[in-house]
Amino acid sequence: EAQVTQNPRYLITVTGKKLTVTCSQNMNHEYMSWYRQDPGLGLRQIYYSMNVEVTDKGDVPEGYKVSRKEKRNFPLILESPSPNQTSLYFCASSLGQGKQYFGPGTRLTVT
Amino acid sequence: RKEVEQDPGPFNVPEGATVAFNCTYSNSASQSFFWYRQDCRKEPKLLMSVYSSGNEDGRFTAQLNRASQYISLLIRDSKLSDSATYLCVVKPTNAGKSTFGDGTTLTVKP
Repeated sequence: EAQVTQNPRYLITVTGKKLTVTCSQNMNHEYMSWYRQDPGLGLRQIYYSMNVEVTDKGDVPEGYKVSRKEKRNFPLILESPSPNQTSLYFCASSLGQGKQYFGPGTRLTVT
Repeated sequence: RKEVEQDPGPFNVPEGATVAFNCTYSNSASQSFFWYRQDCRKEPKLLMSVYSSGNEDGRFTAQLNRASQYISLLIRDSKLSDSATYLCVVKPTNAGKSTFGDGTTLTVKP
């Protein structure tokens, strides 16, 4: 089944404790992206990757890192999480500039 | 001004009604346009792409007006199952960036 998976789905952590949210797709898509969704602010793009070893900043990259060492994986790293990074995070992938397939989301709470 | 703007609604309509949403964008170089549907904080799912000539998929019709820089979504004969948030997405050519509108919430009532 073609899908995008994210782990964990839910995470509660404390300020400053490094964490990684994994994202994996099995569709051989070149393009992958991370978004955060907050009430009243919609979906905002954090980082995106056009292919392996190619990453670029989206609209809200501060406080986040990504890597794209393999085509299928695009982890999101929070080196020192802060409460303002409490949000719902979505990973997405697509073949080129077309339809994006989204993962189920990761609900992160930073206390 | 936001790059992509949508009327947040909510739109509350009876079953069978026709409802239309608009989405305006500020970047005239934008080339790809989409409508996504999102149910109650679940992942967004593509509803339809928007083509220059307009396109239709069953009860749904999407239009693009480049001169006025907006896209629209028309839903005919609304069903209860159409209740969701509808997100418009705008992408520049050959770029990885995607800009989402904040979404328009539709509730279809019996």
